[in-house]
Amino acid sequence: NAGVTQTPKFQVLKTGQSMTLQCAQDMNHEYMSWYRQDPGMGLRLIHYSVGAGITDQGEVPNGYNVSRSTTEDFPLRLLSAAPSQTSVYFCASSYYGQGGQYFGPGTRLTVT
Amino acid sequence: AQSVTQPDIHITVSEGASLELRCNYSYGATPYLFWYVQSPGQGLQLLLKYFSGDTLVQGIKGFEAEFKRSQSSFNLRKPSVHWSDAAEYFCAVVGGSQGNLIFGKGTKLSVKP
Repeated sequence: NAGVTQTPKFQVLKTGQSMTLQCAQDMNHEYMSWYRQDPGMGLRLIHYSVGAGITDQGEVPNGYNVSRSTTEDFPLRLLSAAPSQTSVYFCASSYYGQGGQYFGPGTRLTVT
Repeated sequence: AQSVTQPDIHITVSEGASLELRCNYSYGATPYLFWYVQSPGQGLQLLLKYFSGDTLVQGIKGFEAEFKRSQSSFNLRKPSVHWSDAAEYFCAVVGGSQGNLIFGKGTKLSVKP
């Protein structure tokens, strides 16, 4: 059981570039989510999904897109990177509605 | 709206001393509550959770937490801290039927030898 995996671990982008952060889980969890972590801010929910084909916005969705074509994968797309998106991004998954989420190791993104 | 407050940004304790990290929540119904730990450069690991029943819950690594509805609190405790407990600790509450988590801003724990 690999749990929740994220790639890449580190990424540097220039302003205006786009990229996709990958997230996969092998626990057959219905619920998956993306958070960003900034110093002194805790973790803030970007987008989440309660099953394949179903996604919704969280607290800070602007500038990000998601899709969920399979139960296992939940990629996060940055459409046009901005310095304000410099952060550490975490993907998480759980059984639907339970909240006890398993977290991936994170992706540290720097936008210059 | 639901919210979680961790009043202490940074706490330092001596190794072997007891620890209590505070967490207060705002939620209308019976909350689902969690404590997570994050070691430097790592993801978050679930320490323990409260859904219902016994208000004192045991977790991994010797941690426990007590749910007090009257005080809207879910404080994390450990009787004897080890140097390896140095990390950041996050309290969280489920904010809706989908299972979305609302996190506090975290408490950083330093351990003195």
